[in-house]
Amino acid sequence: DAGVIQSPRHEVTEMGQEVTLRCKPISGHNSLFWYRQTMMRGLELLIYFNNNVPIDDSGMPEDRFSAKMPNASFSTLKIQPSEPRDSAVYFCASSSRQVGGELFFGEGSRLTVL
Amino acid sequence: KQEVTQIPAALSVPEGENLVLNCSFTDSAIYNLQWFRQDPGKGLTSLLLIQSSQREQTSGRLNASLDKSSGRSTLYIAASQPGDSATYLCAVRDNYGQNFVFGPGTRLSVLP
Repeated sequence: DAGVIQSPRHEVTEMGQEVTLRCKPISGHNSLFWYRQTMMRGLELLIYFNNNVPIDDSGMPEDRFSAKMPNASFSTLKIQPSEPRDSAVYFCASSSRQVGGELFFGEGSRLTVL
Repeated sequence: KQEVTQIPAALSVPEGENLVLNCSFTDSAIYNLQWFRQDPGKGLTSLLLIQSSQREQTSGRLNASLDKSSGRSTLYIAASQPGDSATYLCAVRDNYGQNFVFGPGTRLSVLP
């Protein structure tokens, strides 16, 4: 398997622009997680899905953030409008309880908002 | 609410030493515990997964133990090498939801 695939790997944008981050989980995994990592706050859970349904979005910082999972093989995290404080590395991860529940991460999307 | 802590926050050792990283969690009702490694600018790589019914897991020079009753896990690294330098994070998955709660990590430097 190719692992968790994220795109883009790097994104530089200007304040106010819309940003869309994409994730393809490992095939067969039924749980998908979006995390944000910064030096100041470490690794923070934003939202997670189980069987394509959002279970907990309490970590989503504001209404500017939204996430969707239209099917088992694709998820998006959207920021609109973006702000400089959104600059961070955004990770997608997936797991399946049917195979022990091990969590696998993508390589991350590094976002810089100018 | 589950809370995970890791001690120490940073550790610097000479090459060849055996070392122990600690992870503590507040709620013992866990599904599993997982150790990760993160190199600078990279994603998290899974090292070891311990199910709640297990006491330890081993992979090469790494050994992770789990004591649910005391809310502790340790990661033992034998004969450390400069290539082991990275940040090590532990994460617990609870029995109720399906969320993972991460510790802040231990930054390890192995000096040649």
